[in-house]
Amino acid sequence: KAGVTQTPRYLIKTRGQQVTLSCSPISGHRSVSWYQQTPGQGLQFLFEYFSETQRNKGNFPGRFSGRQFSNSRSEMNVSTLELGDSALYLCASSLIPRSEAFFGQGTRLTVV
Amino acid sequence: KNEVEQSPQNLTAQEGEFITINCSYSVGISALHWLQQHPGGGIVSLFMLSSGKKKHGRLIATINIQEKHSSLHITASHPRDSAVYICAVRPGTNTGNQFYFGTGTSLTVIP
Repeated sequence: KAGVTQTPRYLIKTRGQQVTLSCSPISGHRSVSWYQQTPGQGLQFLFEYFSETQRNKGNFPGRFSGRQFSNSRSEMNVSTLELGDSALYLCASSLIPRSEAFFGQGTRLTVV
Repeated sequence: KNEVEQSPQNLTAQEGEFITINCSYSVGISALHWLQQHPGGGIVSLFMLSSGKKKHGRLIATINIQEKHSSLHITASHPRDSAVYICAVRPGTNTGNQFYFGTGTSLTVIP
């Protein structure tokens, strides 16, 4: 059974650009959550989707957005990139919210 | 203020040693995860606990809900156990996977 797949694994973008990251959950999982990991702030919750609806959102500016498709795949978008957005972005999937979460390998975004 | 505190921050052990990593939290929780992160980024969920104790191979995780404390033990440590171990709690009032994370314990096991 395939795990959580995040694409791309690495990304370099220029300040001011926008970026879209993708997360394919484990087959059958309907809940996808996103996290940002930086050396300074550690791991922080971004948002969670279940059945194409955003259920929770962390304390991030509106430049960070996401969506979930009917096949449970999720994307997150960051607009007007800032240097401080450089981070490892992780997604996790679970069967339903509050069941055990399984994490992906992450997408490492570097903003220059 | 951190809802989740881990100790120690860094740990170096000789191969074969018994290792304990501690996690204390300040909020009511519905579940606690122990996560492992190797250099390169990907995170693996080792355990999800809501009470008692779980064992998987050389890894043991315990939780005391009343004391708001959890420990991760590694018996007969091995260099491949070298990684960052992260404690994550799901607040009891929350309905999803909005975890609070500890800052992690960096473990190095020397052959």
